[in-house]
Amino acid sequence: DQQVKQNSPSLSVQEGRISILNCDYTNSMFDYFLWYKKYPAEGPTFLISISSIKDKNEDGRFTVFLNKSAKHLSLHIVPSQPGDSAVYFCAAKDGGSQGNLIFGKGTKLSVKP
Amino acid sequence: DAGVIQSPRHEVTEMGQEVTLRCKPISGHNSLFWYRQTMMRGLELLIYFNNNVPIDDSGMPEDRFSAKMPNASFSTLKIQPSEPRDSAVYFCASSGVGGTEAFFGQGTRLTVV
Repeated sequence: DQQVKQNSPSLSVQEGRISILNCDYTNSMFDYFLWYKKYPAEGPTFLISISSIKDKNEDGRFTVFLNKSAKHLSLHIVPSQPGDSAVYFCAAKDGGSQGNLIFGKGTKLSVKP
Repeated sequence: DAGVIQSPRHEVTEMGQEVTLRCKPISGHNSLFWYRQTMMRGLELLIYFNNNVPIDDSGMPEDRFSAKMPNASFSTLKIQPSEPRDSAVYFCASSGVGGTEAFFGQGTRLTVV
């Protein structure tokens, strides 16, 4: 049973437009959420995170929104750039579990020039 | 800091052979994670250690898989005997005390023929 779900395997966006990547979770004990970015032949790299006590966190072109009642979070990238093309993983953490991250299957973002 | 270091980067082996994957976490980090990435299942947590002690190995597929962390700077993931369905990219990650994000190595691409 997947606790973290990314229902869109892929997303294609035009350069300069907004990219919205979605993630749903089922475990109400999750208290911290992260987004990772992965290029081919590299390991995932941390991008942005949000604590469950917040509903928004912004870092430059990247903003993560958390809707706890819906158990849903999203990553907004604006404006999108071709270098943003990568696989994006949503991850969640249960603070009581000593810290292991549970990942979604990822969404492949393609930003077209 | 060189980051999380994994070796080898690529491994091709024949079915039935023993395979050992190695990981050096970031110095000072006290949690270490082994993940496996496949197209079908995305990033799955296999096992994680806290202060060199295995905390949760429920993700280890079967008895053919074993992991050790003899000290704070080294961990191994062993598959014996290996099978073609074990072919995947294996990632090691580490995080620090109270840390919220995990830092990944570049992965080992394992191919079992």
